[in-house]
Amino acid sequence: GQQLNQSPQSMFIQEGEDVSMNCTSSSIFNTWLWYKQDPGEGPVLLIALYKAGELTSNGRLTAQFGITRKDSFLNISASIPSDVGIYFCAGYRTSGSRLTFGEGTQLTVNP
Amino acid sequence: DSGVTQTPKHLITATGQRVTLRCSPRSGDLSVYWYQQSLDQGLQFLIQYYNGEERAKGNILERFSAQQFPDLHSELNLSSLELGDSALYFCASSPRGDQPQHFGDGTRLSIL
Repeated sequence: GQQLNQSPQSMFIQEGEDVSMNCTSSSIFNTWLWYKQDPGEGPVLLIALYKAGELTSNGRLTAQFGITRKDSFLNISASIPSDVGIYFCAGYRTSGSRLTFGEGTQLTVNP
Repeated sequence: DSGVTQTPKHLITATGQRVTLRCSPRSGDLSVYWYQQSLDQGLQFLIQYYNGEERAKGNILERFSAQQFPDLHSELNLSSLELGDSALYFCASSPRGDQPQHFGDGTRLSIL
């Protein structure tokens, strides 16, 4: 079953607002990944994080690998309508190669 | 474009039938993964292959099977199909088993 707790489940925001979402686990992860999925399409990799404390940006997106290695955060600044979609966190644990996914955050941006 | 190719994009069939979904991984990727995503659900890991060998199994039903061929493409076989098997099936690939996975656009399977 899922071992990543992703929150919030959904967000409704106005265009131009900043967005924050996070992912937590009771287990330690070696790698954190953030994906975005548009309706009817496959998830697209946004950001990959490999070290505790790492902060990585991709345009208006910024993600952080938590110091405890049990959490990660994704921030989107100055949201635009095309940011609409489902954002998934995912991680590789310290053993094994199975990628664990969060349940996703559904983001709606009102123009 | 992720570089992962899945065919067909859509598949409509009836209960009791058998279908085969195909996946070509990104050039150079040795690991292939299959996921199932039902309506408004998250991604459920089914199975992983690495360089032709099964590496990990998730929540894959006994009616489902997969294989990875010497040219690294993979097929997911679904048999004795039931209405509940209707879902999006995604293939993903990565160079090794612990690196970021890149997803194809999926096959939408509809069972009538």
